[in-house]
This record gives sequence, structure tokens and C-alpha cells, in this order.
Amino acid sequence: DAGVTQSPTHLIKTRGQQVTLRCSPKSGHDTVSWYQQALGQGPQFIFQYYEEEERQRGNFPDRFSGHQFPNYSSELNVNALLLGDSALYLCASSLVSARSTDTQYFGPGTRLTVL
Amino acid sequence: QQQVKQSPQSLIVQKGGISIINCAYENTAFDYFPWYQQFPGKGPALLIAIRPDVSEKKEGRFTISFNKSAKQFSLHIMDSQPGDSATYFCAASKRDDKIIFGKGTRLHILP
Repeated sequence: DAGVTQSPTHLIKTRGQQVTLRCSPKSGHDTVSWYQQALGQGPQFIFQYYEEEERQRGNFPDRFSGHQFPNYSSELNVNALLLGDSALYLCASSLVSARSTDTQYFGPGTRLTVL
Repeated sequence: QQQVKQSPQSLIVQKGGISIINCAYENTAFDYFPWYQQFPGKGPALLIAIRPDVSEKKEGRFTISFNKSAKQFSLHIMDSQPGDSATYFCAASKRDDKIIFGKGTRLHILP
């Protein structure tokens, strides 16, 4: 049973560029949440996707956008990158339809460095 | 406003000892309290979780104690081992809502 997978593992970008991160949820899961984890901090919720729509959003600017595909995989896009966007970006999957969104399983993350 | 406060920031425990990490929350609407373990370069892994209708949950060497009236909960790691050295995050959420994480505790178990 494959867990949550994310790609790429590492990414280096320069200020002003745009980046796309990808996530495949755990088999059988239908909901994907994205979190940003700065060094030495706990993960911060960015947004959650279910049925290809954004269900919830945290306190992140519109530069952060996402998408969910019919196969439940998801992308996180960040435009106009800032130095402060450097972080570990985590994807977590869960199963809404079973009313068990409480249990979220995390992927290994994508380490984004903005120079 | 930090909704989940975690302490201590770091903790050193002798092998075989008991590691204790504490968390406090503010929102009484929270109804799910997970603990996550994170190793360097990895994503957080769900360790154990509790709902407010019970005061304690034990899974192997890991125990969550929950005090609803005080809005506090804690993780106890019995017989701590060097392999338990990691960063631990307490968290809280409401049903169908986002997870709010504490800032984490870096645990080091001395061999």
C-alpha cells in the first residue's frame, strides 16, 4: 500500500520565479491538504482540496494556489517567490467520505529553497 | 494567536527514562488531538491520537493523558530509547477542519 508521495524532493528557485509541487495521496484517500513547515517550526496549514475544489484555506496569500485532479492527486503552485517561501512543503491525505478527515497522513515533503 | 502551545522546546532524557511533553489548547471546539513524530528530512508521522471523551490512551510505550477541564494534554514515552530521538508535535483539530500544530519538541535520548 503506497503512502503519500511528493515530487520533487528538493527544489531551488530564485526570487520572483514560480514553482509547482506535486502530491499523490495514500491509496483510497480523496482529500489532500498542504502545509508549509519553516525550519524549526510546526507545519502551517495552507489549504485543503476535496472533489477538485478548495474546501478550506489558511492565512496564506493568493500567490499560493492549488489544484486537485480527478485521480485525487494535487498540485501546489507558488507565484512570485519570496525568500520567506523557503520551507518544507508537506502534503497530507485523508478520507472525507468516511468522515475521518481527522487522521491525516503526511508525505516526505518537498524542500524548497528560494535564493 | 497560538492556539496550541507546546513545551518544552527541547528535552534530553536518559535511555530507559520517561519522556514527557506537554501541550495546552485554547479552542474548546477541538475534538481530536494527535501527536506526530518527525525525523530529520521526513514528513510527520502520526504516532497516537485521542478524543476528549477519554482521559488516557496507551499504545505500546506511548501514552496520551488528556485533561479536558484544564485544556491540556501530554505525551508520555516510557522506557525511552535512542531511536525515539526526533521532533514531536502535538496538534489539535475540529472535525473536517485543518490541523493546528504546536511548535514542536526536540527530544534526544542519551544512550
